[in-house]
Amino acid sequence: DGGITQSPKYLFRKEGQNVTLSCEQNLNHDAMYWYRQDPGQGLRLIYYSQIVNDFQKGDIAEGYSVSREKKESFPLTVTSAQKNPTAFYLCASSNMGRDRNTEAFFGQGTRLTVV
Amino acid sequence: GIQVEQSPPDLILQEGANSTLRCNFSDSVNNLQWFHQNPWGQLINLFYIPSGTKQNGRLSATTVATERYSLLYISSSQTTDSGVYFCAVEAWNRDDKIIFGKGTRLHILP
Repeated sequence: DGGITQSPKYLFRKEGQNVTLSCEQNLNHDAMYWYRQDPGQGLRLIYYSQIVNDFQKGDIAEGYSVSREKKESFPLTVTSAQKNPTAFYLCASSNMGRDRNTEAFFGQGTRLTVV
Repeated sequence: GIQVEQSPPDLILQEGANSTLRCNFSDSVNNLQWFHQNPWGQLINLFYIPSGTKQNGRLSATTVATERYSLLYISSSQTTDSGVYFCAVEAWNRDDKIIFGKGTRLHILP
């Protein structure tokens, strides 16, 4: 089935450790996005990528890093520099282009807890 | 950047009631989507509606791009409609980022 897959669904991390969240899509979408959601809050953009080997910072990029080595994959690393990493992380993908449908689709999310 | 404001922030209704959720945006946009976030956190696509009106069952949406707002209508509410409804916009002259509003939290009482 076509879609966007995030793993793991739940993740626990000790303070001071880096952790990587996986996001894979088989929709042949050009653009991919990472958002953070805190309890009772909206979605805030961390990083986004419009093309392989290129990505841009969103509104809250500090303490996070990404890579886009393949069109299908956009992993997010939460580094030890992120002061408050406990949150729900959502990945999305969409087409690009002014003559195309650019509807975005989301994965099921990863809940990260620092213990 | 573009500001997206959703209203009301919270809405409590009895089952069977109708509701209207609003999304205002501060600048011209090229795309607009409505999502429903279920209790498990999954974002469900409701409408991709840069302009005009669309309907899907009990839900419909209207975007008036020239006046910078969109409305989501829910008729004959059911308890399964509970959750958070998000509006998200994209502007091609603003780095193509997808920007979300803070959402409307809807509670449907049985």
